[in-house]
Amino acid sequence: DAGITQSPRHKVTETGTPVTLRCHQTENHRYMYWYRQDPGHGLRLIHYSYGVKDTDKGEVSDGYSVSRSKTEDFLLTLESATSSQTSVYFCAISDGSIVGETQYFGPGTRLLVL
Amino acid sequence: AQSVSQHNHHVILSEAASLELGCNYSYGGTVNLFWYVQYPGQHLQLLLKYFSGDPLVKGIKGFEAEFIKSKFSFNLRKPSVQWSDTAEYFCAVNAPGAGSYQLTFGKGTKLSVIP
Repeated sequence: DAGITQSPRHKVTETGTPVTLRCHQTENHRYMYWYRQDPGHGLRLIHYSYGVKDTDKGEVSDGYSVSRSKTEDFLLTLESATSSQTSVYFCAISDGSIVGETQYFGPGTRLLVL
Repeated sequence: AQSVSQHNHHVILSEAASLELGCNYSYGGTVNLFWYVQYPGQHLQLLLKYFSGDPLVKGIKGFEAEFIKSKFSFNLRKPSVQWSDTAEYFCAVNAPGAGSYQLTFGKGTKLSVIP
């Protein structure tokens, strides 16, 4: 398994509070991604990063922000959590190979917004 | 933007039955194709991938997939399933030909194998 950890693994929070999820990798990969997984929707890309301080929006970025100050860490912040953001969040990494990019996934963070 | 369709939401099979899960994608250019598996309570793991070459790709745990360009399909197969194959299976595609390395996932197919 790729060296990816996510913290926390579980979190319960209240509507309106800020929440930050952390993804940490030991593979020195260039690309990092945040997805959310919801029943019937598969995985949907929230934000991704293609280098330190270089980030871009994905399919479902509203209500989320990200930061990447070091190669190994990619933070996802919910500025003001809402119940619709209750989900399982997965981080993924890839080395950005031109030939074929394979993404490897972390263990996930289960977030419940009450 | 590319899209991915997985036709079966939930498949129920008995052990030793053969499996075929459908996956179709929408982009007409060069694509990279993936199947991921998610066992209950776990993260996604790569099952197999196709970048180029032989359209019949073999993956881990006896799975294989066939890329049929004319049908925009990448179906997953296994000749004889086991109870331990109970999981959710996701097809995914990216389109380097369109300058996009972002993965687009299908909505997943849940496989239940009955002992």
